Amino acid sequence: AQSVSQHNHHVILSEAASLELGCNYSYGGTVNLFWYVQYPGQHLQLLLKYFSGDPLVKGIKGFEAEFIKSKFSFNLRKPSVQWSDTAEYFCAVNDNDYKLSFGAGTTVTVRA
Amino acid sequence: EAQVTQNPRYLITVTGKKLTVTCSQNMNHEYMSWYRQDPGLGLRQIYYSMNVEVTDKGDVPEGYKVSRKEKRNFPLILESPSPNQTSLYFCASSSTGAGNTIYFGEGSWLTVV
Repeated sequence: AQSVSQHNHHVILSEAASLELGCNYSYGGTVNLFWYVQYPGQHLQLLLKYFSGDPLVKGIKGFEAEFIKSKFSFNLRKPSVQWSDTAEYFCAVNDNDYKLSFGAGTTVTVRA
Repeated sequence: EAQVTQNPRYLITVTGKKLTVTCSQNMNHEYMSWYRQDPGLGLRQIYYSMNVEVTDKGDVPEGYKVSRKEKRNFPLILESPSPNQTSLYFCASSSTGAGNTIYFGEGSWLTVV
């Protein structure tokens, strides 16, 4: 079974600051990588995903992530956050058995 | 509109009283799954199903049952709920194939007292 590690449990930052959330996974084979966001009181929504091709993936709402295979990492970035980015962010990984393994999540609080 | 629908969204129940959380998807997806979300633990998979009449255990199946009699429905059954099953539950579905997006329902808050 895979494990997924998210480095930060809670991140607090001000509007316009840059955001980077770390994600590492344990599986050494071919993987598909996802970032999901959960706004307060809502279900999970897909921010972006990687399964092949360009390792720099652009998603919705100005987010991007970079897959670095040698580091087993898939870090999420946004150059300038807004108050509305306050949410919980989950990194997830699956190999080809469709089971999605999630990290513990990172709560991001953006102060106006 | 593509949807994964769960019911009930909120439920408070007592220990030992059987309950079922329904899940239905309108995308003709083969794959369906149940997760529970607990603080600091992220989402953990309870059961999943690759197609009708095909179900398998996830990481935390104890205390739960599922069935997949129809492609669109995947109910989660708690035969004898206990307080440690108090959690937020999500149903999810996707088509099969590498990299396909998994769609989540809106979640069901379950409290067992």
